[in-house]
Amino acid sequence: GQQVKQSSPSLTVQEGGISILNCDYENDMFDYFAWYKKYPDNSPTLLISVRSNVDKREDGRLTVFLNKSGKHFSLHITASQPEDTAVYLCAAGASSGSWQLIFGSGTQLTVMP
Amino acid sequence: GALVYQYPRRTICKSGTSMRMECQAVGFQATSVAWYRQSPQKTFELIALSTVNSAIKYEQNFTQEKFPISHPNLSFSSMTVLNAYLEDRGLYLCGAREGLGGRQYFGPGTRLTVL
Repeated sequence: GQQVKQSSPSLTVQEGGISILNCDYENDMFDYFAWYKKYPDNSPTLLISVRSNVDKREDGRLTVFLNKSGKHFSLHITASQPEDTAVYLCAAGASSGSWQLIFGSGTQLTVMP
Repeated sequence: GALVYQYPRRTICKSGTSMRMECQAVGFQATSVAWYRQSPQKTFELIALSTVNSAIKYEQNFTQEKFPISHPNLSFSSMTVLNAYLEDRGLYLCGAREGLGGRQYFGPGTRLTVL
């Protein structure tokens, strides 16, 4: 089964609003959580990541919230702009041993001007 | 800074032929290299994880016989798609990282089209 799931394939938000992207995971060993942004025909770019020892991390307009008991993490983008329009991929991994990064299926965010 | 290059960026091969793609890490030591594939309409799937001085670990549905990988040093890895067929088309991504706790850097990908 899918170890990392993004249940919403798409999200549309008005310019200036808050975009909330969600991700669920299954593996209890995951202790690294990240959000990537992907434009068509390009490789994903890391936006923000968080380790399991914190439940929140902010970086400018981006905030990651981690709910370990619920095996859920989310990305909040405040003051959303049209240039935020892209596919957002969540990813999770386990840092013990040679860990792998497992990606979700992606959510297409569209910010309407 | 740390960069990952992939070559070629795009390639076309005939069904049943093989295609080799390369991944080059610059500015850091690629202790581990992960190869991913994004098939049309699908997410990125992990093919295999290669760590220098360790055995290459393949994910379910991917085998060494089909996707042999070479990781001879801390800056280079290559993967071959043997006997490529239509279902092998997609974007092949290389991710490399230094040590166990470092950030993973991705290359731009190799887009494979199979005719």
